[in-house]
Amino acid sequence: GQNIDQPTEMTATEGAIVQINCTYQTSGFNGLFWYQQHAGEAPTFLSYNVLDGLEEKGRFSSFLSRSKGYSYLLLKELQMKDSASYLCAVFDSNYQLIWGAGTKLIIKP
Amino acid sequence: IAGITQAPTSQILAAGRRMTLRCTQDMRHNAMYWYRQDLGLGLRLIHYSNTAGTTGKGEVPDGYSVSRANTDDFPLTLASAVPSQTSVYFCASSPGQGTDTQYFGPGTRLTVL
Repeated sequence: GQNIDQPTEMTATEGAIVQINCTYQTSGFNGLFWYQQHAGEAPTFLSYNVLDGLEEKGRFSSFLSRSKGYSYLLLKELQMKDSASYLCAVFDSNYQLIWGAGTKLIIKP
Repeated sequence: IAGITQAPTSQILAAGRRMTLRCTQDMRHNAMYWYRQDLGLGLRLIHYSNTAGTTGKGEVPDGYSVSRANTDDFPLTLASAVPSQTSVYFCASSPGQGTDTQYFGPGTRLTVL
């Protein structure tokens, strides 16, 4: 079966750095997305990786290793507004997007 | 209208009733999707449409139907609602199929009693 694993919940301190991991086992791979979802709101696009390596976008970076079936989202200089769920999703060989259950990130002052 | 809109925002429905969730986008995106989101589970695809006039089944299509008469609208119908269809429903769209980024509407919170 297809599976995407993320930690259920993480806690970090304002101003710090946090890394959210995602491992996947899918039938084929055609790219990986990270989305942010605040409570009661819609998911919003953060990043897309299709090749190995690090993609940096301001305070957020996303890393992909296709050989290891592994990605992480790195958030720097954490702000209270970063409290949200972070969703990892993978396009499989049929170009269907398979979603992880999300990681709830709690930021403490 | 800017982006994707969904209606209603929330709804409480008696089991056995018919319900249509509405979704409209103004971005001229070809592809549209319906997902449900349940606590502890990832988003699950119900139905999708790669272009106006075509639809396809996703991971959890049973009990749901869709139509795509034009580019902008993609309604989701529950013919006879059951309590297990209590969920948050998100409509999304993307410029094309394949690996295009999907953009989400604000969601409809549906409770079936």
